[in-house]
Amino acid sequence: DIQMTQSPSSLSASVGDRVTITCQASQDISNYLNWYQQKPGKAPKLLIYDASNLETGVPSRFSGSGSGTDFTFTISSLQPEDIATYYCQQYDNLPRTFGQGTKVEIK
Amino acid sequence: QVQLVQSGAEVKKPGASVKVSCKASGYTFTSYGISWVRQAPGQGLEWMGWISAYNGNTNYAQKLQGRVTMTTDTSTSTAYMELRSLRSDDTAVYYCARYGASPENDYWGQGTLVTVSS
Repeated sequence: DIQMTQSPSSLSASVGDRVTITCQASQDISNYLNWYQQKPGKAPKLLIYDASNLETGVPSRFSGSGSGTDFTFTISSLQPEDIATYYCQQYDNLPRTFGQGTKVEIK
Repeated sequence: QVQLVQSGAEVKKPGASVKVSCKASGYTFTSYGISWVRQAPGQGLEWMGWISAYNGNTNYAQKLQGRVTMTTDTSTSTAYMELRSLRSDDTAVYYCARYGASPENDYWGQGTLVTVSS
């Protein structure tokens, strides 16, 4: 199985800050990577697919980059409504696997 | 608009079975598949498997092989996930998601809490 390692596991930042989360795959997954946002008690929401494509309706402050084994998710200017846990997920191989999540809080 | 509506919360005893439904609307059901993902309390997301609504082909997570069955009813645009021989560590919120070529898992159900307790 492909292991997805996310870091950090949590972070605290101020409103307006730039926030960066990384995700490393245990083998080359090309650009077959999703990023999700999950708020407490809610289902995950797809934000980014194919590593860098913004899902329709998602604010442009969210972005993704990378290919191969190393990926980055960025919130360019953190907003109060961005408080959530973020997950990466590879879809290059079965079984699909997720990162362990990054909890983003407001400082 | 695309919607996936799941069945309600369940409480089951160890050893029992549970069947969760996921009713799709707003798109052509047989043009996509359905993924199932679960989340134990306070934990991350775990992929369980997926099923093609076109031909019923399935792929299950190795750890659930033999205990899980995913099916679809194209007449009602509903997908089902049955998990048997329930254990306490199967307690989780179970989600369905629309599975397509790209993007994958673009729409999700609201989740179904399954509690396994004696």
